[in-house]
Amino acid sequence: DVKVTQSSRYLVKRTGEKVFLECVQDMDHENMFWYRQDPGLGLRLIYFSYDVKMKEKGDIPEGYSVSREKKERFSLILESASTNQTSMYLCASSLRGPQHFGDGTRLSIL
Amino acid sequence: AQSVTQPDIHITVSEGASLELRCNYSYGATPYLFWYVQSPGQGLQLLLKYFSGDTLVQGIKGFEAEFKRSQSSFNLRKPSVHWSDAAEYFCAAGDGGYQKVTFGIGTKLQVIP
Repeated sequence: DVKVTQSSRYLVKRTGEKVFLECVQDMDHENMFWYRQDPGLGLRLIYFSYDVKMKEKGDIPEGYSVSREKKERFSLILESASTNQTSMYLCASSLRGPQHFGDGTRLSIL
Repeated sequence: AQSVTQPDIHITVSEGASLELRCNYSYGATPYLFWYVQSPGQGLQLLLKYFSGDTLVQGIKGFEAEFKRSQSSFNLRKPSVHWSDAAEYFCAAGDGGYQKVTFGIGTKLQVIP
């Protein structure tokens, strides 16, 4: 079974802080994704990556950046956290099939 | 633009009753189609997928979905709902390639005794 692990289930940070969300997958998947999930809006794609050091903007990249230095790890970075970035963040990975998701990180920005 | 529509935000069914969750997609070609389920505080779990072939797809937990090209629909069904099926259900569509998908906004299922 594919295992996608997000480093934190819950995280509380302050406005202006630089925040790192980490995601690791154990199945040598090429593709990795970061979404945010908000009530009534479903899942919205922030960034995705189809190879090491490659990244593509999703639908809502503003205020975020990503890093993929190794195939198994995909990091989401909030350069200067703001309260409107309080949300559930979901990481996913895939090869040539459906995406597999981690359990999510609920991030609160105070 | 590619889109996935789940017209029902909330659905309440009695335990033991049948269930149908609706999903419509708007894509240039026949997309890859998925249904996921999310329990509170958890990530998304894949229930089933359609890539090609038989239009009736069987999934886990007793769910099935039917692809209807003429209606651009991919509705999820279960003949008899259990209390443990209470969760949020997401329909998604993708066009292959890097498997970038578009998700619907979800349908929250409540099961009453």
